[in-house]
Amino acid sequence: QSALTQPASMSGSPGQSITISCTGTSSDIGAYNYVSWYQQHPGKAPKLVIYDVSDRPSGISNRFSGSKSGNTASLTISGLQAEDEADYHCSAYTTSITQIFGGGTKVTVL
Amino acid sequence: QVQLVQSGSELKNPGASVKVSCKASGYTFTDYAINWVRQAPGQGLEWMGWINTNTGNPTYAPGFTGRFVFSLDPSDSTSHLQISSLKAEDSALYYCARGAASRLEHWGQGTLVTVSS
Repeated sequence: QSALTQPASMSGSPGQSITISCTGTSSDIGAYNYVSWYQQHPGKAPKLVIYDVSDRPSGISNRFSGSKSGNTASLTISGLQAEDEADYHCSAYTTSITQIFGGGTKVTVL
Repeated sequence: QVQLVQSGSELKNPGASVKVSCKASGYTFTDYAINWVRQAPGQGLEWMGWINTNTGNPTYAPGFTGRFVFSLDPSDSTSHLQISSLKAEDSALYYCARGAASRLEHWGQGTLVTVSS
């Protein structure tokens, strides 16, 4: 079971939007609407920012949005802010009744 | 509020065992599964598996069978991860997290396990 595929790094200027992709297969991302995204600042535990493809937990800014098409999920951060600089990890539930993560994307705010 | 508090850092020799604990508070322990996630230095997250806090039944991800054991102490709202026959490549941060179906809403602070002679 290979990890989901994410770009290693992305960057953007304050105020811009960036979209992080997460590619899997028909056995994970394509199988269910159980895709989540986690934000992780250095030295901190991951924090859930999107679940079930596009839902936001209470307290998460609406600048974070998620979507899915086929076997690829995406996280969009709108109006990029300095505090958004972090690692972002996607995750999906699989047909093997397991969970799988992506390799993580380091987002830099220029 | 929901909290998951993990035990402190561990330094172990190769071949030894380690037990990491995760104490839950702020909710009914048996209402939610506990997952375990590994993060090697500078690497991404790896899902290790989960334990049903109602039945105590564990499920392990491929690659985490044999030397890895999840257990519960429901009387103390605590879940444990035990790793035996430690190897250098087991050196990592280990997180517990509450949730299911990839939705892990609450995380412990992480426990650093270092395996070195």
